[in-house]
Amino acid sequence: DGGITQSPKYLFRKEGQNVTLSCEQNLNHDAMYWYRQDPGQGLRLIYYSQIVNDFQKGDIAEGYSVSREKKESFPLTVTSAQKNPTAFYLCASSLRGRSTDTQYFGPGTRLTVL
Amino acid sequence: AQKVTQAQTEISVVEKEDVTLDCVYETRDTTYYLFWYKQPPSGELVFLIRRNSFDEQNEISGRYSWNFQKSTSSFNFTITASQVVDSAVYFCALSEARDNYGQNFVFGPGTRLSVLP
Repeated sequence: DGGITQSPKYLFRKEGQNVTLSCEQNLNHDAMYWYRQDPGQGLRLIYYSQIVNDFQKGDIAEGYSVSREKKESFPLTVTSAQKNPTAFYLCASSLRGRSTDTQYFGPGTRLTVL
Repeated sequence: AQKVTQAQTEISVVEKEDVTLDCVYETRDTTYYLFWYKQPPSGELVFLIRRNSFDEQNEISGRYSWNFQKSTSSFNFTITASQVVDSAVYFCALSEARDNYGQNFVFGPGTRLSVLP
């Protein structure tokens, strides 16, 4: 079955640690995205990538980093510089990355900083 | 700048009632796309519908229907004969049609729907 997988489902981190969230897709989509969701709020874009080895900052990129070495994979690192990282993180992909393309989402990773 | 408003934070209905979720958007573009997503308790966003700004026909899919009115900048979503499985957070989203990429997606804050048995 084609889809987007994210791991782990739950992640706990101590303050000062970097953590990496995994996102993999087998939809053969060119574009991938990372969003952050806080309680009672909509989704905010962290980073997006149109093609391999290229990515752009979204609205709230500070304290996060990404890489896109393979078309299928778009991992997100939450660094110690992110002041309030506790949130639900959603990965998405779209066919060509055009503004009009539908984005499809993975199941999400819930990150908690202890 | 584009913006999506979902004024209803939470709605509770009893099973089999009809319910309408409101979505009002702002954009200066004449070409844009509107989306609805469902987020069940599991967390994954499920795509429901995509509609472009030139197609104002109402859409019906089973118990779901959508009413797009450009005159009021609204794209409302109605669930007929609601069921407990419809309980979720529903997001409306707007994307302006430009030559650049998906960073133009803007989501509303969501409406939490609870369908009680």
